[in-house]
Amino acid sequence: YELTQPSSLSVSPGQTATITCSGEDLGKKFTCWYQQKPGQSPVLVIYQDNKRPSGIPERFSGSSSGNTATLTVSGTQAMDEADYYCQAWDNSLSVVFGGGTKLTVL
Amino acid sequence: QVHLVQSGAEVKKPGASVKLSCKASGNTFSTYPIHWVRQAPGQGLEWMGWINTANGNTKYSQRIQGRVTITRDTAENTAYMELSSLRSEDTGVYFCARGRVGYEHWGQGTLVTVSS
Repeated sequence: YELTQPSSLSVSPGQTATITCSGEDLGKKFTCWYQQKPGQSPVLVIYQDNKRPSGIPERFSGSSSGNTATLTVSGTQAMDEADYYCQAWDNSLSVVFGGGTKLTVL
Repeated sequence: QVHLVQSGAEVKKPGASVKLSCKASGNTFSTYPIHWVRQAPGQGLEWMGWINTANGNTKYSQRIQGRVTITRDTAENTAYMELSSLRSEDTGVYFCARGRVGYEHWGQGTLVTVSS
């Protein structure tokens, strides 16, 4: 099972960043999203497609339908510049990560 | 709050094995599985496998199955990941992670360098 993400995305501060993750019937599975800054461990920002863990700002939101899950960062700030990874489970109880999207806030 | 503390950096020669540890704080060790995820320099996250901390059952990535073994010691609240037949491509940071709905908790990562 494979998850495909764009390798990079650039936005201006205050704009909305939309990061997609594609996989066969991904909408029928739960997708998580992780943020990773250089030299740090990843941080869970979205789980079960659209839920935010405690402490994650409201500007992070998620959705999923069909073959695509989407992470949206509204009003992007400089501190949101990071790599973002989607993650799901395949049908054999194995975990799959997308290749990651480098978000640059210009 | 759950904390995962990993063992220190390792330098190994090609063909050798490495065994890393991941110690969980608190008394919820057997509640959720522990997963191992690695990241080669400048690359993305790669899932390696997970262990059911309650019964010891494991599931491994097909890509490295045969070279990876994940175990746990419930008395020590610690999970272990051993990778054998090391090659240069195994160089990277290795993370343990766990959670209820995703990977809410991550270790700090362990750098493994494979070099002759």
